[in-house]
Amino acid sequence: GDSVTQTEGLVTVTEGLPVMLNCTYQTAYSDVAFFWYVQYLNEAPKLLLRSSTDNKRTEHQGFHATLHKSSSSFHLQKSSVQLSDSALYYCALLPLSGSFNKLTFGAGTRLAVCP
Amino acid sequence: EAAVTQSPRNKVAVTGGKVTLSCNQTNNHNNMYWYRQDTGHGLRLIHYSYGAGSTEKGDIPDGYKASRPSQENFSLILELATPSQTSVYFCASGHLQGYEQYFGPGTRLTVL
Repeated sequence: GDSVTQTEGLVTVTEGLPVMLNCTYQTAYSDVAFFWYVQYLNEAPKLLLRSSTDNKRTEHQGFHATLHKSSSSFHLQKSSVQLSDSALYYCALLPLSGSFNKLTFGAGTRLAVCP
Repeated sequence: EAAVTQSPRNKVAVTGGKVTLSCNQTNNHNNMYWYRQDTGHGLRLIHYSYGAGSTEKGDIPDGYKASRPSQENFSLILELATPSQTSVYFCASGHLQGYEQYFGPGTRLTVL
């Protein structure tokens, strides 16, 4: 079945510095969409950004990600983090074919931004 | 904006008791989902539904049942709750093609 791997459970970054959250995947499907969801403390997860186009950069709220099918990756990056970016980030995969589409989530990476 | 509500928000249950978690969405989405969230495991799909009257098993359905009596409502039922079911449960809804899912605020369940 499909799987999504987020290698870091916790990433700690100083405010103003760049960050990259890793996401790699395995899937047998060729037509797939990828998502980053963000969950702030005591809130529901919500969509941060989405992509299904190989080698195309997607941006939202200062974050960006590029799907690289050649390396099976969809890493999330930001050039200068803010304290308000502290949250739990989930990478997820969605096959776009088949009778029903369900998301497969990674284990999540907690981003802690320090002053 | 999409609206998904859950009740109760917090629940303490005893081992062997029955627990029902409720979810309501006003988005008119066909698809609804129940996830549990555990540290180190992320969000795992328990049950989902295509529409009123349908329920399907997700990735971890054992010990759980689901009910979708209407387009708006989707319940998760624990007939015999166990301490291993202590977790945070999220309901979500989404369009037929499942592109974006809208999550409810979550229910924190503790089984003693």
